[in-house]
Amino acid sequence: SQQGEEDPQALSIQEGENATMNCSYKTSINNLQWYRQNSGRGLVHLILIRSNEREKHSGRLRVTLDTSKKSSSLLITASRAADTASYFCATDGASGSRLTFGEGTQLTVNP
Amino acid sequence: DAGITQSPRHKVTETGTPVTLRCHQTENHRYMYWYRQDPGHGLRLIHYSYGVKDTDKGEVSDGYSVSRSKTEDFLLTLESATSSQTSVYFCAIGQQSSYNEQFFGPGTRLTVL
Repeated sequence: SQQGEEDPQALSIQEGENATMNCSYKTSINNLQWYRQNSGRGLVHLILIRSNEREKHSGRLRVTLDTSKKSSSLLITASRAADTASYFCATDGASGSRLTFGEGTQLTVNP
Repeated sequence: DAGITQSPRHKVTETGTPVTLRCHQTENHRYMYWYRQDPGHGLRLIHYSYGVKDTDKGEVSDGYSVSRSKTEDFLLTLESATSSQTSVYFCAIGQQSSYNEQFFGPGTRLTVL
């Protein structure tokens, strides 16, 4: 079964709005990562947050991590049409070099 | 795509035939991974390698084998393809570090008729 589960499965917003995606996981982790996948392409790493961190920023991305609730959120501010993609969270857990991916959130940003 | 290529990019084959997918990297990363991506299942790990000739099973390894005879190449073989193996296959690489960021190839779309 998937370690990470994203919510919502699909999200449609207007350009300029903020987009928030959530990820829940089941077991203890060392770090949590977010990836983006454009249609027909491979995944691209966006940001990594360690288990001892609570918040991290990268450009228009803000990631939070709540290990007590085993959940993370990805916020994309001032969204653009180019942000349209699927977003996946991935956790490493106790497996070290292996990642477990969620099923993803499909984000559509309408111009 | 971070110095990772996959071949072929598209393949159509028939049930029962053997199929080999190739992943090639120019980054000299230690770890290499094969995933499959299916609607409703996200990405699932098939096999991975942590060095030349060092491989291990992932979540969905049945029906698949792998080989890594050189750092740069990781082969995925379907010994006898089945329709349930119709999927998009992604190779990924990673460095030996606690950050465990992975870099993905462009994918191979495999259709088994």
